[in-house]
Amino acid sequence: DGGITQSPKYLFRKEGQNVTLSCEQNLNHDAMYWYRQDPGQGLRLIYYSQIVNDFQKGDIAEGYSVSREKKESFPLTVTSAQKNPTAFYLCASSRQGAARKLFFGSGTQLSVL
Amino acid sequence: DQQVKQNSPSLSVQEGRISILNCDYTNSMFDYFLWYKKYPAEGPTFLISISSIKDKNEDGRFTVFLNKSAKHLSLHIVPSQPGDSAVYFCAATINNAGNMLTFGGGTRLMVKP
Repeated sequence: DGGITQSPKYLFRKEGQNVTLSCEQNLNHDAMYWYRQDPGQGLRLIYYSQIVNDFQKGDIAEGYSVSREKKESFPLTVTSAQKNPTAFYLCASSRQGAARKLFFGSGTQLSVL
Repeated sequence: DQQVKQNSPSLSVQEGRISILNCDYTNSMFDYFLWYKKYPAEGPTFLISISSIKDKNEDGRFTVFLNKSAKHLSLHIVPSQPGDSAVYFCAATINNAGNMLTFGGGTRLMVKP
């Protein structure tokens, strides 16, 4: 079955540590996205990539980094510069030019130790 | 400043009755609107959408109404079922390729048997 796989489901970060969240899709979608969900605040866009080897900052990119070396993969690194990283992180993908119809993964809950 | 707002964080409805979820937006450029449904520990899934050229779109038990003058849309679920219990996100965009979705904060719907 085609879909988006996020791993791990739960992740803990120590002070000053960088952590990387994995996102893989086999939908053959060109575009991929990372969102952050905080209680009551909806989903906020961190980074997106519309094509391999290219990505753009979203609304809250500070303290995060991404790479897009393969069409299927869009890992997100939460760096030590992100002072409030505890949140639910969602990866999504869409066909090129169809940013409104997103397919989401099941998310990663990141917590700070 | 939130451009898409869902002012009710939660809603409780009896099974078989109507559920009405509301969403307000401030950006008059938005011309395409969507509802996503999210179960706990899962990613959101697309539910229904509406273009600004319409004022109503229906899909089975789900109907979305758009009032452009009031910058307001609503999702009606009739009849409500316990399996509808989830968080519902309203989202809006400007309908051009490359424009991202702006999400509301979500409304948690609880349908009681």
